[in-house]
Amino acid sequence: TQLLEQSPQFLSIQEGENLTVYCNSSSVFSSLQWYRQEPGEGPVLLVTVVTGGEVKKLKRLTFQFGDARKDSSLHITAAQPGDTGLYLCAGWAGGNQFYFGTGTSLTVIP
Amino acid sequence: ETGVTQSPTHLIKTRGQQVTLRCSSQSGHNTVSWYQQALGQGPQFIFQYYREEENGRGNFPPRFSGLQFPNYSSELNVNALELDDSALYLCASSYRDRGNNSPLHFGNGTRLTVT
Repeated sequence: TQLLEQSPQFLSIQEGENLTVYCNSSSVFSSLQWYRQEPGEGPVLLVTVVTGGEVKKLKRLTFQFGDARKDSSLHITAAQPGDTGLYLCAGWAGGNQFYFGTGTSLTVIP
Repeated sequence: ETGVTQSPTHLIKTRGQQVTLRCSSQSGHNTVSWYQQALGQGPQFIFQYYREEENGRGNFPPRFSGLQFPNYSSELNVNALELDDSALYLCASSYRDRGNNSPLHFGNGTRLTVT
C-alpha cells in the first residue's frame, strides 16, 4: 500500500526553468525525507524534515514540510541537466519502515 | 567510511528457482532493510533486520526470507521465483537506537530478472 502520492509522475522541462514536486498523504509522519535516484543506482538522501512547517534549502532546492506533517514539497530553481533523476519522498511514522512515495521522474533538457 | 555494497549487480533466474542476494552494510550501522523497486515505482518495504532478527515486515509472502549476520551484513532469499519478482532489490543500512531510525543509506541494488 502506497501511503504517499507524488505529483507529477513525470516532468520534462528546459534548463533554467523552475519546478515543484508534491508529496501528499492522509497519514501523519514523524519525519519526511527526500531522495534522488539516478539510473542504475540506489536512492541518495537529499534532506530530512521533522518539524511541521519546516523549510530547508539545499543550494537551488527548497524543501517544505506541511504544517500538519502530512505533505511536503520540493521546489527546484533554475533546473540544470544534473538535476535529472527520480525524486522520491519517504515518510517515517515511528515504526521500523520508511514509506516511499510513487516517485517523480524529472528530465531537464539542455 | 565504507558504503553499502550489494552483490550481484544483475541476475537472471528461471521461474521456480531460488535466489540469494547479499548486502554489506555501511560501517557504524546496525540495521539493514530490504526494499523491492519495480520499474518506475517507489521502493516497497520487504523487511528489516536488527540485532540479527527480523524486526518488521511489509506485505510480502513467506517465500521472501532473510538473515543478518554478526557483522551486520545481510542476505535476502527468495524461493519459488515468480515472474512478478522481477525488480530492483535495494538494501539500505541505518543506525537504530532507542526506537529512532537514522536516514537510510542505499546500495546500488541487484537487478533480478525472472524468465
